[in-house]
Amino acid sequence: NAGVMQNPRHLVRRRGQEARLRCSPMKGHSHVYWYRQLPEEGLKFMVYLQKENIIDESGMPKERFSAEFPKEGPSILRIQQVVRGDSAAYFCASSFSGGRTDTQYFGPGTRLTVL
Amino acid sequence: GENVEQHPSTLSVQEGDSAVIKCTYSDSASNYFPWYKQELGKGPQLIIDIRSNVGEKKDQRIAVTLNKTAKHFSLHITETQPEDSAVYFCAASKSREYGNKLVFGAGTILRVKS
Repeated sequence: NAGVMQNPRHLVRRRGQEARLRCSPMKGHSHVYWYRQLPEEGLKFMVYLQKENIIDESGMPKERFSAEFPKEGPSILRIQQVVRGDSAAYFCASSFSGGRTDTQYFGPGTRLTVL
Repeated sequence: GENVEQHPSTLSVQEGDSAVIKCTYSDSASNYFPWYKQELGKGPQLIIDIRSNVGEKKDQRIAVTLNKTAKHFSLHITETQPEDSAVYFCAASKSREYGNKLVFGAGTILRVKS
């Protein structure tokens, strides 16, 4: 039973380029969450998605960041025109039904380095 | 919004001793409190969680207690082992109608000395 999968595990981009981070939830899970972890800090919520819907994007920066979870395929977190401050570990989590207090299981993360 | 504070930031214990990590939360509507363990270079791993209708939960060497009145919850690890060394995060969330997002504490670095 595969867990949450994320790829790539490491991503290096130059300033101004685009970064695309992919997340495949656990089998049977239809809810995906993205969190960002800056060096030496805790995890900060970014966005919560269900299939084809963004439920809560209150933690997403207003510019350059977008997320989607299409009917088919993985969830994508897209960062346009990356800057050095975007360097962080980005974690995806998934849950079964998104109902009350659903347990979230995390993937191994994508470590983004912006040169 | 919700704010979660976690103490201590670092904790060193001798192998076999107990470790206690404490968290407080600000939003009385929070009703779910998980604890995650994160090893270097890996994603957070859920180790135990508690819901607001329960005061205590135990799983082998790990236990969590919740005091809703005081709005704090704690992780207890007994008979610590070197493999318990990691960063531990507490978190809080509210029910679905509030978005289900987890608000994390800043983390505790636990070092178990053998």
